[in-house]
Amino acid sequence: DQQVKQNSPSLSVQEGRISILNCDYTNSMFDYFLWYKKYPAEGPTFLISISSIKDKNEDGRFTVFLNKSAKHLSLHIVPSQPGDSAVYFCAASARKGGSEKLVFGKGTKLTVNP
Amino acid sequence: AAGVIQSPRHLIKEKRETATLKCYPIPRHDTVYWYQQGPGQDPQFLISFYEKMQSDKGSIPDRFSAQQFSDYHSELNMSSLELGDSALYFCASSLFQGSYGYTFGSGTRLTVV
Repeated sequence: DQQVKQNSPSLSVQEGRISILNCDYTNSMFDYFLWYKKYPAEGPTFLISISSIKDKNEDGRFTVFLNKSAKHLSLHIVPSQPGDSAVYFCAASARKGGSEKLVFGKGTKLTVNP
Repeated sequence: AAGVIQSPRHLIKEKRETATLKCYPIPRHDTVYWYQQGPGQDPQFLISFYEKMQSDKGSIPDRFSAQQFSDYHSELNMSSLELGDSALYFCASSLFQGSYGYTFGSGTRLTVV
């Protein structure tokens, strides 16, 4: 049973436009969410995170929005750049439950076209 | 800045052989996590260690074992290898009290033939 779901396996956007990657989760115990970027043959690289006590976190071109009632979060990248092309993983953990392990979604492959 | 170091980067083994993967965490990080990512799959949590003790366990087969040593590096031992064990194995490290600096290594690609 997939507790973290990324329903779009791929997304293609034009350079300069906004990229919106979506993630849904089912486990209400999750209280910390992270986005990772991954290139082939490399480990996931941390991008941005958000705690369940917040509904928005921003870092440069990256903003993560959390809607707890809908159990939904999204990553906005604006403006998108060709170097952003990669697979993006959403991950969640239940830190208050004492677990630091991450549960990952299946990833969304983002392609930013010049 | 120092990152999480994994060795070897690539490993080819035959069925029923044994493999050992090593992970060296970021200095001062006390927690190590192991993940397995099969082809086209999301990373799946295997096991974690905090201060040399197992802190959490996921979908790790009984054929696999792991430990964290006094210098905080960790080793994942895999015996009786099967074709289905072919995957990318990632190690991550962090400070236990938070996910700050939850950093992944570049992974070990294990191919079982």
